Parts: sequence; structure tokens; C-alpha cells
Amino acid sequence: SYVLTQPPSVSGAPGKTARITCGGNNIGGKSVHWYLQKPGQAPVLVIYYNSDRPSGIPERFSGSNSGNTATLTISRVEAGDEADYYCQVWDSSSDHVVFGGGTKLTVL
Amino acid sequence: QVQLVQSGAEVKKPGASVRVSCKASGYTLSGYFMHWVRQAPGQGLEWMGWINPNSGDTNYARNFQGRVTMTRDTSISIAYMELSRLRSDDTAVYYCARGNIPSAFDIWGQGTMVTVSS
Repeated sequence: SYVLTQPPSVSGAPGKTARITCGGNNIGGKSVHWYLQKPGQAPVLVIYYNSDRPSGIPERFSGSNSGNTATLTISRVEAGDEADYYCQVWDSSSDHVVFGGGTKLTVL
Repeated sequence: QVQLVQSGAEVKKPGASVRVSCKASGYTLSGYFMHWVRQAPGQGLEWMGWINPNSGDTNYARNFQGRVTMTRDTSISIAYMELSRLRSDDTAVYYCARGNIPSAFDIWGQGTMVTVSS
């Protein structure tokens, strides 16, 4: 089955840029979606189809996807960005949805 | 507005079954696949499967095949997820989420805590 690998934790200083990676075999050929989840809350979609932003999501959130790595980039990090972030794809070979293990973003 | 509202918390004994409901409002249930995702305490998101409310077709994750059943009642815009033969490691928050394949899950329910304990 398809596996997505995320670093368990990433840190970023306020005002700086944080990058969260999501690794998978030829993930560049798939559509990657990203969610953030704050404690006690349901996940919220922040990036869909690799780089599109839903309405209401700040432009500071961007995404890219190429080769074996997809990346969520958060520019000008704010304290309120502290959350768990998950990548997700649909694996066409199994017709199953796959989530990465999640990355905890800590704002220093 | 578009939202998914789930049923309340459940406490079950090992071996029992639980059914969680997910009511859709603000859109037509049949228009989007409904997925179920669970999250054990302190753990990540685990996809359980989907149901196509239009046809009733389902697709379950390998880990849950034989124990999970997803159904829907389009007349009242509710999707259901039933998990049987519960174990203590089924203790988790269960979410429903809307999303057509291969699209993202754009709307999530608030989550339902299911506790399995003797």
C-alpha cells in the first residue's frame, strides 16, 4: 500500500518561513491535499490539488509537489499557525485514501 | 451553511458495535462521497473508507474490512458508520468528511468520541 512520510515535528520562528514535507513514491504524479488540526478540533483543509488554497486560507500558505516530495510552505509564521499538519493523497491503485503521519509545527 | 453534524459521544464494551451518524446540511448528500476518518488519542488520522451516497457503493480500508459498514439515508441526508466487534484500541474520535475522489475533504464533521472500555 502507498505510504506517505512526514517529519514528526518542525519548528519555525515568528515571521520566518516553515516548510513541512510529505514524501511518497512518485508523489509528484498524484494530487496532494494538506490539512491543519488544532487540539480538540476537526481538521481544516488548507491546500488542495497540490497548491490551491480554499477561500479563507491566508496567502501565507502555499504548496508544491514534484518528484518524491510534496511541500507545504508557511510564510511569515504566526503563533496561531501552531498545529498538526497532515498530507493526504488518493492512491488510484487501491482506490484508497492515504494520510501522512502528521507533523507538529511549533512556533518558537 | 454547508455543515456536517455528527451524533454524540458513545461508551461501549468490548465486543459490542457502535453506529455513528453524520447529518449533512446546506448541500445534497448524494452530490459528494462521504468518508470516515478516525483518530486515536494522541495519534494521526486514519482513513476508514467511503460511501457514495448516490449509489450506496462503498470502499473500506483494509484494516476495517469485515468490521465496518457504511450506509446512508438520502431522504434525511444522513450517513452512518457502524463498527462491530469493538476492541479497546478502537477508542478514538471518528470524523465524517465530504470529498469526491480524488478531491480533498473540504467539510468535516465535529467528530464523535467513541470509548471502548469494560
